[in-house]
Amino acid sequence: GQQVMQIPQYQHVQEGEDFTTYCNSSTTLSNIQWYKQRPGGHPVFLIQLVKSGEVKKQKRLTFQFGEAKKNSSLHITATQTTDVGTYFCAGSPSSGAGSYQLTFGKGTKLSVIP
Amino acid sequence: SQTIHQWPATLVQPVGSPLSLECTVEGTSNPNLYWYRQAAGRGLQLLFYSVGIGQISSEVPQNLSASRPQDRQFILSSKKLLLSDSGFYLCAWSVRGGLQRDFFGQGTRLTVV
Repeated sequence: GQQVMQIPQYQHVQEGEDFTTYCNSSTTLSNIQWYKQRPGGHPVFLIQLVKSGEVKKQKRLTFQFGEAKKNSSLHITATQTTDVGTYFCAGSPSSGAGSYQLTFGKGTKLSVIP
Repeated sequence: SQTIHQWPATLVQPVGSPLSLECTVEGTSNPNLYWYRQAAGRGLQLLFYSVGIGQISSEVPQNLSASRPQDRQFILSSKKLLLSDSGFYLCAWSVRGGLQRDFFGQGTRLTVV
């Protein structure tokens, strides 16, 4: 079945440093989504990328979808303590059974040292 | 606007006891519904999904079951809980058709003792 791998598992950064998490799928995706889960909370949708090579920005967050639609990245510029949490990527296959199911990566847990 | 309600927020249950977690969605019709489990720390594991009333698909064999008695109601059950059932259970919904985007409930933190 489809697998979505995400690295790193953990990342500790000093406040103000940049942060990047990477997501790789074993199969071509119809779209990639990113979620953020604050400690003790539930995942909250951040963004969805659909097109090959697509890049989207949300303030200090930059999301990229690879040309082959099998990988993605989330980059945070100048991290702040409010960025703390676990970031998940999730994707569904481009066709076939399960195309309406999301497969989540294991997430990257970001800690920001003030 | 659409909202999703999940309860209870926390639950402590003894081994061998039954379980019933309920999730309801408001403000939308014919949603796809999902139950996920998140083990201590991390990743989201899809347990069940439903594309309609009475239609349940299981992703992981286990002693849990799910039911969808009404269009916007999704229930996760167990007849006898195991210690390994402890975790954070999340209900989610998405719009039927088109690209799936999950909207999550607040979650239930289950501790089996």
